[in-house]
Amino acid sequence: DIQMTQSPSSVSASVGDRVTITCRASQGISSWLAWYQQKPGKAPKLLIYAASSLQSGVPSRFSGSGSGTDFTLTISSLQPEDFATYYCQQANSFPPTFGQGTKLEIK
Amino acid sequence: EVQLVQSGAEVKKPGESLKISCKGSGYSFTSYWIGWVRQMPGKGLEWMGIIYPGDSDTRYSPSFQGQVTISADKSISTAYLQWSSLKASDTAMYYCASPGTSGYDLDYWGQGTLVTVSS
Repeated sequence: DIQMTQSPSSVSASVGDRVTITCRASQGISSWLAWYQQKPGKAPKLLIYAASSLQSGVPSRFSGSGSGTDFTLTISSLQPEDFATYYCQQANSFPPTFGQGTKLEIK
Repeated sequence: EVQLVQSGAEVKKPGESLKISCKGSGYSFTSYWIGWVRQMPGKGLEWMGIIYPGDSDTRYSPSFQGQVTISADKSISTAYLQWSSLKASDTAMYYCASPGTSGYDLDYWGQGTLVTVSS
């Protein structure tokens, strides 16, 4: 299985801050990388697919980049509703695997 | 509108069997893959397996192969996840989710089914 490693595991930030979360794959996955947001007690929500494509309805302050083994999710200006846990997931090969998650907390 | 609606929370004893469901609507049920994702209490997401209801093609993540069974009944647009003998370690939230017609990006999610296994 391809291992996905996110960093940091948690981050504290303020409204208006720019935040970047990193995801590294144990082997190359081209651009087959998705990002999800999960709020407490809710199902995850797809934010970005194919490393940099914004899912319909997702605010443009979210962006993704990267290819191969190294990827980033950036939130350009944090809003109160963005405080949640974020997961990356490789979509290159079966079984798809998730990163361990990054909890974004209010400073 | 694509919707996946899961069955309600379950409380079971170790050794008991269980089958939870996920009903799809708003799309052609036989054309979308449906996957299952586990989230243990306070932990991350784990992909369990996926099924194509059109022909029942099913794939399991190695960690879950032999531990669960994924099936679908296209006559009632419903996918299932079942256990023959539950363990306390099966206590988790289980989500069904769909990437649509292909791929592994999960566009659509059910609301989750909480399974609690306790003696």
